[in-house]
Amino acid sequence: AQSVTQPDIHITVSEGASLELRCNYSYGATPYLFWYVQSPGQGLQLLLKYFSGDTLVQGIKGFEAEFKRSQSSFNLRKPSVHWSDAAEYFCAVGANSGGYNKLIFGAGTRLAVHP
Amino acid sequence: NAGVTQTPKFQVLKTGQSMTLQCAQDMNHEYMSWYRQDPGMGLRLIHYSVGAGITDQGEVPNGYNVSRSTTEDFPLRLLSAAPSQTSVYFCASSSLRQGVSNQPQHFGDGTRLSIL
Repeated sequence: AQSVTQPDIHITVSEGASLELRCNYSYGATPYLFWYVQSPGQGLQLLLKYFSGDTLVQGIKGFEAEFKRSQSSFNLRKPSVHWSDAAEYFCAVGANSGGYNKLIFGAGTRLAVHP
Repeated sequence: NAGVTQTPKFQVLKTGQSMTLQCAQDMNHEYMSWYRQDPGMGLRLIHYSVGAGITDQGEVPNGYNVSRSTTEDFPLRLLSAAPSQTSVYFCASSSLRQGVSNQPQHFGDGTRLSIL
């Protein structure tokens, strides 16, 4: 079965510290992988996506993610966190169901940033 | 740029009442979908549509109906609201290219629904 696991429900970091949010997926074929961010009271905004090619992908707001097929992982990283990065982050895998577009989401990781 | 517009933003219903959540997009996207977001469960797909007149069930379809009469609109209907349907509902849309799952979805800001 297709699934996405985000092991960390809450993470707290200090402003300026580095960040890594973990994501593991289960999918039989080559995955299409996404990271979305949700600020309080808002919808989801796409941070970055992986389809093929270079396994290190760059996104908006200084985020990057690395696809590791051997570990079935797609971890999100940022070298220096800003207070405005406090939000909830969702990893998702794009799956084909009857040939149509479907996103399977992880449960999310809520990031708090201390000044 | 409007993108995906959901109305209303907030709603409180009594058990047994019916209501329709509205979703409209102005990007000419073929694919539209409804998700519900519950704490600790991420987003779960309720229904989706790949074009006008075509809809299908997602992961958690029970208690919800949808229709797609135009490309732009994809309303979600609760026929008889239950407390278990208290949630935040998101509509999303994306283009379709040969039906593959590699097109990022654009999300609305959500509808916060409480069933008493």
